[in-house]
Amino acid sequence: ETVLTQSPGTLSLSPGERATLSCRASQTVRDNYLAWYQQKPGQAPRLLIYGASSRATGIPDRFSGSGSGTDFTLTIIRLEPEDFAVYFCHQYSSSPGGTFGQGTKVEIK
Amino acid sequence: QLQLQESGPGVVKPSETLSLTCSVSGASISTNRYYWGWIRQPPGKGLEWIGSIHSSGSTHYNPSLKSRVTISVDTSKNQFSLQLRSVTAADTALYYCARQRRELLYLAWFDPWGQGALVTVSS
Repeated sequence: ETVLTQSPGTLSLSPGERATLSCRASQTVRDNYLAWYQQKPGQAPRLLIYGASSRATGIPDRFSGSGSGTDFTLTIIRLEPEDFAVYFCHQYSSSPGGTFGQGTKVEIK
Repeated sequence: QLQLQESGPGVVKPSETLSLTCSVSGASISTNRYYWGWIRQPPGKGLEWIGSIHSSGSTHYNPSLKSRVTISVDTSKNQFSLQLRSVTAADTALYYCARQRRELLYLAWFDPWGQGALVTVSS
C-alpha cells in the first residue's frame, strides 16, 4: 500500500499569503496519478487538482499542483478567506481506490 | 448539476450490518465513464476508500475490508448501496459516496462527493 504523508499538519497563515502544502508518497506514484481535495467543516470534500497539476472545473487559478515521483505540492498563491480549510492528497496509481494523506489544515494566523 | 446524497441508520449495533444508500440526482448512474464509490473518515482521522462499483455491476474493494463489504447498484432507482458486515466500534465514521472517474486503464479521482453520513457503532 502506498502511504501518503502530508506536511505540515497545520499551516498558520494570513489572507493574501502563499500556502505551500507537501504530499510525500512511500513509493513512486505512477504517471502522476495524484489528486488534491479541499474540505471545509460540515462540507463534502471538493476536487481541486487531478493528474498532479490539472485544475478541476471551476477551480480558481490561485490553486496549482506540481511534482512527480514521490513528492507533490499544492500551492495556493494569495490566500482568500474561503481557502482556510483542510486539504487532502490522494494517489490512485496503486489500487482502484488509492490511498489518501492524513490532511493539512490551513488556518488563519 | 450532479448531486449525491447518503442515507441510512445513524447508529448500528456491534456485530450487525451497516447499510447505506447513495442517491444520485442530476445525471444517470448508467455511464461507462464513471464508477461510484464509498469512502469513510473515522473521527479525527484520514480518509479510507472502501470500494467502488460500475453500473454494470463490476466492483473493486479495499483488500482490508473486502471480506465484510458488499456494494451493489440499482440503476432503476439511480442508487448504489453499501453493506458492511460484523461492524465494531472501529467502523464508526463519516461515510461518503462519490463519483469516481474511469480512465482507460485505471480508476481515478473522486468528484463530486456527497455530504456524508455519520454512522456510530454502539450498543
